[in-house]
Parts: sequence; C-alpha cells; structure tokens
Amino acid sequence: DIQMTQSPSTLSASVGDRVTITCRASQRINDLLAWYQQRPGKAPMLLIYEASTLESGVPSRFSGSGSGTEFTLTISSLQPDDFATYYCQQYNSFSPSTFGQGTKVEIK
Amino acid sequence: QVQLQESGPGLVKPSETLSLTCTVSGGSFGNYYWTWIRQPPGKGLEWLGSLYFSGSTQYNPSLKSRATISVDTAKNQLSLNLRSLTAADTAVYYCARGKYQVLAYFQLWGQGTLVTVSS
Repeated sequence: DIQMTQSPSTLSASVGDRVTITCRASQRINDLLAWYQQRPGKAPMLLIYEASTLESGVPSRFSGSGSGTEFTLTISSLQPDDFATYYCQQYNSFSPSTFGQGTKVEIK
Repeated sequence: QVQLQESGPGLVKPSETLSLTCTVSGGSFGNYYWTWIRQPPGKGLEWLGSLYFSGSTQYNPSLKSRATISVDTAKNQLSLNLRSLTAADTAVYYCARGKYQVLAYFQLWGQGTLVTVSS
C-alpha cells in the first residue's frame, strides 16, 4: 500500500493566518493527489485534485502544490468556515487508494 | 442536482452481515465510478471499494474478500454487503461518486450512515 503521512496532525491558527498542511507519499504518485475538507459531523468535501487543480466552487484562498512524493495544501487567509479537518488522498493506485490520517485546524 | 443518501440498520451483531444502500437521486449511474468509504469514530477515511456502472468492481485488499458492492440501476441504488463483522467495522459509511469515467477522486458524497457492531 502507498502510505500517506500528513503533518502536522493538529494546527492552531487564527482567522486571517496563512496555513500550510503537508502530505507525504511513501512512493511517487504522479501528482494524483486530492485534498478534502471535513467539518464535524459532515461528509468530506473535495477541495483540490491532481495536486493543484481547484474544484469548482471552492474559494480561491485554497491552493495545492507539490510533486513526486511531497504535497502541500495552503489556505492563504484562514476564515471561520475553514476550521475543520483536512485529508489528502492518493489515487495513483487503487490497490488500495489511501488517505492521510488527517490534519485538524483549530482556533488559536 | 445529484444527491446520494445512505441507509442501513444502524446496529448489527458481530459475525453478521451488514447491508447498506445508497440511493442516487437527480441522476443516473451511467459512466461513473461509485464508491464506499468508511470512517471509524474519531479516525480517518478508508476506501472500501468501487464499482463502475458497467458492473466491474475493485476492493480494498484489507477487507479480505468480505465485501461485495453491487448496483440496481432500476432502483438507482448502490449496495454494500460486508460479511463477518467485528467491532472494528464500526464506522460511518459513506457512498461517493467519482470523476466521470475515471476511478480517481470523489466529487460527490452522501451524508453517511453510522453502523455500530455490537452484541
């Protein structure tokens, strides 16, 4: 299995902060990486796919970058709705497809 | 717009079989992959398996052949059967639709249904 490791596990930040979350894959995944946001009690929501393509309707303060085995999700100016847990997912291999363990963004 | 709604028993006993349904409204199954994903309480996401509208399937090997995903196009329903349940199968189960014609990321999710495995 391709292991996906996110850091940090928890992040404390304030409204307006720039926030960066890292996702590392145990092998190259050809930039086939997605990011999801999950608010408490809700289903995940797709933010970014192919490492850097913003899903339709997602605010432009979200951006993704990286290649090879290291990827980042950046929120340029944290808003109240952004306090949530974020997951990365590799879809280079569905044997199986795997998610990171999640990064919780908390209010500082 | 297309919406997904999971339904299931809520509580099942160990060693029994779980049967979940995902009803698709506002659209059809054609040309998409349909997927089951679960999330144990307080934990991360696990891909369980996916089905293409034609019927072909892929499963997470970690399930050790306990899972079967099927579709009833007449009812617009996706199903998951998971056999030989243990407490480790307690989770919120989500159905999701992926990208058009490609097994990749998941663009559309149901709200999820909590399944507790307990005697």
